[in-house]
Amino acid sequence: NAGVTQTPKFQVLKTGQSMTLQCAQDMNHNSMYWYRQDPGMGLRLIYYSASEGTTDKGEVPNGYNVSRLNKREFSLRLESAAPSQTSVYFCASRGQGWSGELFFGEGSRLTVL
Amino acid sequence: AQTVTQSQPEMSVQEAETVTLSCTYDTSENNYYLFWYKQPPSRQMILVIRQEAYKQQNATENRFSVNFQKAAKSFSLKISDSQLGDTAMYFCAIHDNAGNMLTFGGGTRLMVKP
Repeated sequence: NAGVTQTPKFQVLKTGQSMTLQCAQDMNHNSMYWYRQDPGMGLRLIYYSASEGTTDKGEVPNGYNVSRLNKREFSLRLESAAPSQTSVYFCASRGQGWSGELFFGEGSRLTVL
Repeated sequence: AQTVTQSQPEMSVQEAETVTLSCTYDTSENNYYLFWYKQPPSRQMILVIRQEAYKQQNATENRFSVNFQKAAKSFSLKISDSQLGDTAMYFCAIHDNAGNMLTFGGGTRLMVKP
């Protein structure tokens, strides 16, 4: 039972470097999300995709880009990493109906030096 | 915009006792869902319990129950017979039907002591 899989689980970057976080789900969900988690601030939504081919900004989109490659995959890209983007990133997906729970990946810890 | 506030950054409870975690929220919608998620040290986010705003009956899942006060916009989580495995971060969250986002509170770190 894979559920939501995100890679890499750990990454260290230097300021200005770029990288892409990959996320894939095998539950045939329409909606996918990228959150970041910082101490004392809970999870904050970066971007989401309500369906294949659509993406929308969340609460903290600056410095990030996303691609909904197909129904299964939703990637998050940092074009020029900054120390403020040091965080734990979670990908999630949601099933049919707005009441459906979110299913989360295991998280990716990113450190920007 | 919807907001969620968890006023207790940290709590502790003795094993087998009962603890209540607080959550207040704000939304302009009449219909919405409220959630409690658990994040153990493994970092995996796990759904604990869910409440539909139009249902008056409080949700219950085994040792976990909620006290939902719609007028007060309050949604507390009660954990009965606390177990060591309940040690985790707990997040309250709201999802309303105006959009497609789940908004989280800042979390409460719960420590269950033997």
